[in-house]
Amino acid sequence: QVQLVESGGGSVNPGGSLTLSCAASGFFFPAYYMSWVRQAPGKGLEWVGNISQIGSDTSYTDSVRGRFTISRDNGRNLLFLHLASLRAEDTAVYYCATEYWGALDHWGQGSLVTVSS
Amino acid sequence: VLTQSPDFQSVAPKEIVTITCRASQSIGSNLHWYQQKPEQSPKLLIKFASQSISGVPSRFSGSGFGTDFTLTINSLEAEDAAVYFCHQTSSFPYTFGQGTKLEIK
Repeated sequence: QVQLVESGGGSVNPGGSLTLSCAASGFFFPAYYMSWVRQAPGKGLEWVGNISQIGSDTSYTDSVRGRFTISRDNGRNLLFLHLASLRAEDTAVYYCATEYWGALDHWGQGSLVTVSS
Repeated sequence: VLTQSPDFQSVAPKEIVTITCRASQSIGSNLHWYQQKPEQSPKLLIKFASQSISGVPSRFSGSGFGTDFTLTINSLEAEDAAVYFCHQTSSFPYTFGQGTKLEIK
């Protein structure tokens, strides 16, 4: 069955950087758009961005564009989110998810990123 | 912008629940619904406004087109206590509604 496992979260100082990974299994990873979604503690969901099947196209929400970068390694079934110039408001659980024409049909368990000095 | 209503609802078992999602501009049928239970990841309930998802109980249904959408839960069960989110994928950046917390009386 489809499995998505995020890793790489942790605590980082403001202005710092971090890279999250999402290991995919149980489906043909290269065939799917992939998204990242985040959820600040006690808050709602925020779409962060996505990447096309071969990684040629990426889109981001305004608040992270220029600071976050999504990439993928189809040979190793891995999705990445590189977070830079981190701010306190980036503190959240970050989820990776498969996309089916935009609908997010499978989600990982999430990885917590805490930005604090 | 997606605006859900209500923000909170408390409903007795076996009742019918209706949650609405209004878009600030037309998004066609590019609207999806998710359920998030405490300490869990979100789960896709309905895609493209009204299409059912394999494995999701048939008491969940969706309707709407353009700017006004509805998630309906028939014959509410205790396990339906959760936060429900709508999500538009008509244009970038994709956005979510603020969520509706559903409590079972």
